[in-house]
Amino acid sequence: GENVEQHPSTLSVQEGDSAVIKCTYSDSASNYFPWYKQELGKGPQLIIDIRSNVGEKKDQRIAVTLNKTAKHFSLHITETQPEDSAVYFCAASRDDKIIFGKGTRLHILP
Amino acid sequence: DAGVTQSPTHLIKTRGQQVTLRCSPKSGHDTVSWYQQALGQGPQFIFQYYEEEERQRGNFPDRFSGHQFPNYSSELNVNALLLGDSALYLCASSQNRGTGLNTEAFFGQGTRLTVV
Repeated sequence: GENVEQHPSTLSVQEGDSAVIKCTYSDSASNYFPWYKQELGKGPQLIIDIRSNVGEKKDQRIAVTLNKTAKHFSLHITETQPEDSAVYFCAASRDDKIIFGKGTRLHILP
Repeated sequence: DAGVTQSPTHLIKTRGQQVTLRCSPKSGHDTVSWYQQALGQGPQFIFQYYEEEERQRGNFPDRFSGHQFPNYSSELNVNALLLGDSALYLCASSQNRGTGLNTEAFFGQGTRLTVV
């Protein structure tokens, strides 16, 4: 069945350093890969996305990469700041049905 | 633009009861999807509504049903509540762009359902 694996489950980085979260997906028909940030008591917020015909996308301090052959995709956050602390979810989508990973809790250390 | 709004924000129900959760999509969006998020887990797809019909469904029992109204708002109904139904229920809206064309989905803040 459809499945998205996400690693690590918890990540602590020093403020200013980079954070990387990696995901794999099982459904080869997935063609859209959004990333969400969820803060305590709030719904998931879309922070960046990438489509299957693109290998890399960048938006300021955030970048995503996609390897369709290997079914791998990843999120890179550079120059981390305290407000980056949250839970991050990767997801794979086909026909607007979104399958989420289990999330990565990111802690930014002062 | 108010974004996706859900009501109520919190709800406590007794096992065996029925519950209805409501969602208003973001302005300009015509598709509503519902997700269940257990504590410490990622959201799980329940079903999706477009043109007032259920278009897709995840692995949830028939106790979970929904409805979409002409103004695109939606309801999620859960019958015969179980303790395991306790979770955050999220609504996401998007704009349909045709088969196979995924669009950005925006989530509401969720309804926290506790079954006791």
